[in-house]
Amino acid sequence: EAGVTQFPSHSVIEKGQTVTLRCDPISGHDNLYWYRRVMGKEIKFLLHFVKESKQDESGMPNNRFLAERTGGTYSTLKVQPAELEDSGVYFCASSRGSGSYNEQFFGPGTRLTVL
Amino acid sequence: EDQVTQSPEALRLQEGESSSLNCSYTVSGLRGLFWYRQDPGKGPEFLFTLYSAGEEKEKERLKATLTKKESFLHITAPKPEDSATYLCAVRTYYGGATNKLIFGTGTLLAVQP
Repeated sequence: EAGVTQFPSHSVIEKGQTVTLRCDPISGHDNLYWYRRVMGKEIKFLLHFVKESKQDESGMPNNRFLAERTGGTYSTLKVQPAELEDSGVYFCASSRGSGSYNEQFFGPGTRLTVL
Repeated sequence: EDQVTQSPEALRLQEGESSSLNCSYTVSGLRGLFWYRQDPGKGPEFLFTLYSAGEEKEKERLKATLTKKESFLHITAPKPEDSATYLCAVRTYYGGATNKLIFGTGTLLAVQP
């Protein structure tokens, strides 16, 4: 079974530019999550999709971040315009269900550097 | 506010020297405590889930335990390949139910041959 995949693995952009990150969850997993780790800090939750619907977006930092999951398969996270503080590693995770006994499996992450 | 604290921040062991990593938590209601392993440049790899005080899980040289305030990850006779960052995360009750994980900052374990 293929794991969670993310693209690109690295992205370096200038402040003010736009970047789009992509996540492909494990096949059959309806639940998809985005997390972020900035330098020296812990991994923090951004949002949770159940199929194509946003279940919880309480961790989204501001309206420069837009997440979509059209068709309930892969997801994209767009940052527009990017700021210096957006630098960090963005992780995607997926789980089969959303109940207590559903572990989240993580992708390798996208390292974003904003110059 | 829900919080997860891991200690120590870093730990260096000799091969075969057993030790424990600590994860203490303050949450409104626990719906699961998770241990992950993370290697450099990779995403967190799921290890264990614990749901109630007194529960224990084992996998090879690792054993995770849970009390009402903390969890321990015991490493018995570690090998160099056990070197990694070990992350603890909790899932809590918030506004009914949530699936988001709250992470600690991790313990960086180095096992020397």
